[in-house]
Amino acid sequence: EVQLVQSGGGLVQPGGSLRLSCAASKFTFRTYSINWVRQAPGKGLEWISDISPSTSTPSGSIINYADSVKGRFTISRDTAKNSVFLQMNSLRAEDTAVYYCATDRAWLEENYFDYWGQGTPVTVSP
Amino acid sequence: QSALTQPRSVSGSPGLSVTISCTGTSTNVGAYNYVSWYQHHPGKAPQLILYDVASRPSGVPDRFSGSKSGNTASLTISGLQAEDEADYYCCSYAGSHRVFGGGTKVTVL
Repeated sequence: EVQLVQSGGGLVQPGGSLRLSCAASKFTFRTYSINWVRQAPGKGLEWISDISPSTSTPSGSIINYADSVKGRFTISRDTAKNSVFLQMNSLRAEDTAVYYCATDRAWLEENYFDYWGQGTPVTVSP
Repeated sequence: QSALTQPRSVSGSPGLSVTISCTGTSTNVGAYNYVSWYQHHPGKAPQLILYDVASRPSGVPDRFSGSKSGNTASLTISGLQAEDEADYYCCSYAGSHRVFGGGTKVTVL
C-alpha cells in the first residue's frame, strides 16, 4: 500500500520557523511531483506548493508556490531519502492549518492528487 | 489565485441525487480539462473521486460523475448513501499552480 508519512508539525510563535517532512514508501517516489496543501480551521483546502521530480526537465525540478507563501516557504526533495520537505519561515497566525502532502504527476499531465499524507497540524500562536 | 466557487452546502435524501457546481475562470476551469474532485471526511486525508473532469479512479463507485461546461464543472452524486456525507472540493490546474474550491458540505437527510 502506498504511504506518505508526515512529520514536523507543532506550535510555533509568530515569526518563527518550522520544517515539515513527507516521507514516501512502497511506490516510485522519484516519478511523482509532491504538493503541499493546507486547511486552516473552518476553511477549505488551499494548494501552497509543489516540486516536480529532478528528472522531469533537463534543468531539474520545477518548483511553484502560491502567492500566500512565496518568499517565506521553501520546498525541497531528497530522492535518496524518498522525502520532501517544506521549510516554513516568518510564520504568521494565518499559516495555522493542517498541512497535507499529496502526489501528482503533473509533468506527465496527470494533474490530480492521488495519494495523500495523514496531515500534520501547525499552530502559529504567541 | 482566487478560490473556485462552490455552494457551501447541498443536501438530499438517500437514493436521490445531488449536484455540486464549481465555477472558475477562463484561466483555470475554462482553460483545462484538469478538474478533479475530492471527498473529505473531517480528521481524514482527502480522497480523489474524479479526475480530468469525469474520470473515476479505481474503486470509486459509478454513482459519482462529473462534467464541465465553459468555466463551470459539476459533480453529481447519484443514489445518495449515508457514507457520502462529507465535504467535497473541486480543484483545477491553472498552469503554474492549482486552485481549490471553497468546499461543499453534503448532508444526507
